[in-house]
Amino acid sequence: GQNIDQPTEMTATEGAIVQINCTYQTSGFNGLFWYQQHAGEAPTFLSYNVLDGLEEKGRFSSFLSRSKGYSYLLLKELQMKDSASYLCAGLDSNYQLIWGAGTKLIIKP
Amino acid sequence: ETGVTQTPRHLVMGMTNKKSLKCEQHLGHNAMYWYKQSAKKPLELMFVYSLEERVENNSVPSRFSPECPNSSHLFLHLHTLQPEDSALYLCASSHGQGATDTQYFGPGTRLTVL
Repeated sequence: GQNIDQPTEMTATEGAIVQINCTYQTSGFNGLFWYQQHAGEAPTFLSYNVLDGLEEKGRFSSFLSRSKGYSYLLLKELQMKDSASYLCAGLDSNYQLIWGAGTKLIIKP
Repeated sequence: ETGVTQTPRHLVMGMTNKKSLKCEQHLGHNAMYWYKQSAKKPLELMFVYSLEERVENNSVPSRFSPECPNSSHLFLHLHTLQPEDSALYLCASSHGQGATDTQYFGPGTRLTVL
């Protein structure tokens, strides 16, 4: 079956760096998305990776290894506003998104 | 307004009620989606519409009935729901259904079934 695994919850300190991991098993693979969702709000797009390697966007970077079925989201210089859930989703061969349950990130001062 | 809007934001209904959720997108997109989001569970795709035609129905109970009158509007009609249907219902839209077509989400309707 198809599956996305990511940690349920993580805690980090303001100003630090945190890495949120995601492993995926999909029928075919057409890329991996990361979304951010603040409590009570809509998920918003962060990144899309389809090729191996690291893509950087400001304080956020996303990495993909297709051979390992693995991705991570790296957040640098953490701010209190980064407290949110981070959703990993893989795109299968039918272009259907397979979602993880999300990682709730708690930032402490 | 811009983006994807959903009304109402909160809804409480009894099991015998009939209600409808509304979604509107102002992005000129051709695909629209209904998702169910329950606490600590992955997003569950319920329905997909592309160019106003339903292309995906993931074995959703018939007590949920979607309607897409045009490419900008999507409804989810609810009747005789169960308490386990309480969840956040998210609408999303995308330009198409291709690999790089990012989905843009609305803020959701928090549904409570008593």
